[in-house]
Amino acid sequence: DQQVKQNSPSLSVQEGRISILNCDYTNSMFDYFLWYKKYPAEGPTFLISISSIKDKNEDGRFTVFLNKSAKHLSLHIVPSQPGDSAVYFCASNTGNQFYFGTGTSLTVIP
Amino acid sequence: NAGVMQNPRHLVRRRGQEARLRCSPMKGHSHVYWYRQLPEEGLKFMVYLQKENIIDESGMPKERFSAEFPKEGPSILRIQQVVRGDSAAYFCASSLDGHNSPLHFGNGTRLTVT
Repeated sequence: DQQVKQNSPSLSVQEGRISILNCDYTNSMFDYFLWYKKYPAEGPTFLISISSIKDKNEDGRFTVFLNKSAKHLSLHIVPSQPGDSAVYFCASNTGNQFYFGTGTSLTVIP
Repeated sequence: NAGVMQNPRHLVRRRGQEARLRCSPMKGHSHVYWYRQLPEEGLKFMVYLQKENIIDESGMPKERFSAEFPKEGPSILRIQQVVRGDSAAYFCASSLDGHNSPLHFGNGTRLTVT
């Protein structure tokens, strides 16, 4: 039972353009949402989060948007840089557990 | 470096042996989570612990797997009588208050069962 879904396993973007990563969730009780970035052979690194009382949170080149009615979360990276190439996981939390999507592999082409 | 520390980074065990994975949380964090990542899959929740207490172990297999987070020392994930299907990357994460604060992950232990 996948409560957090990332339907695009991969994404390629030109350097300098916008990267948009998407995530859908099924549990309306989720109230805290996060994005992580993961390089091979390393642990996930926290990027940005948003609580359910907001619909947008921005941190530098990273912006997370939350659409509660659609149960949809997105991460915008602009401008994209080659160093952004990694696997991105969305996650959400209610109660004791954090649920993770299966990840989207982003490749930024120089 | 006050990040989450996991050791060993790589662990090779023969079928039937025991595997012990260690995790020291970030300084000041008392909430520890263990996740498993199988090849080509996402992160699967295993167990959530606070000091000396297991809060949620609903993701742990009922047999052979156990976890602890003692008052002193690291959290331990223990797998008894390992089988080939246990081969995976095991990640530990810690957080400040367990909810509405992010998890911070270690670099994982890659377990290989031969």
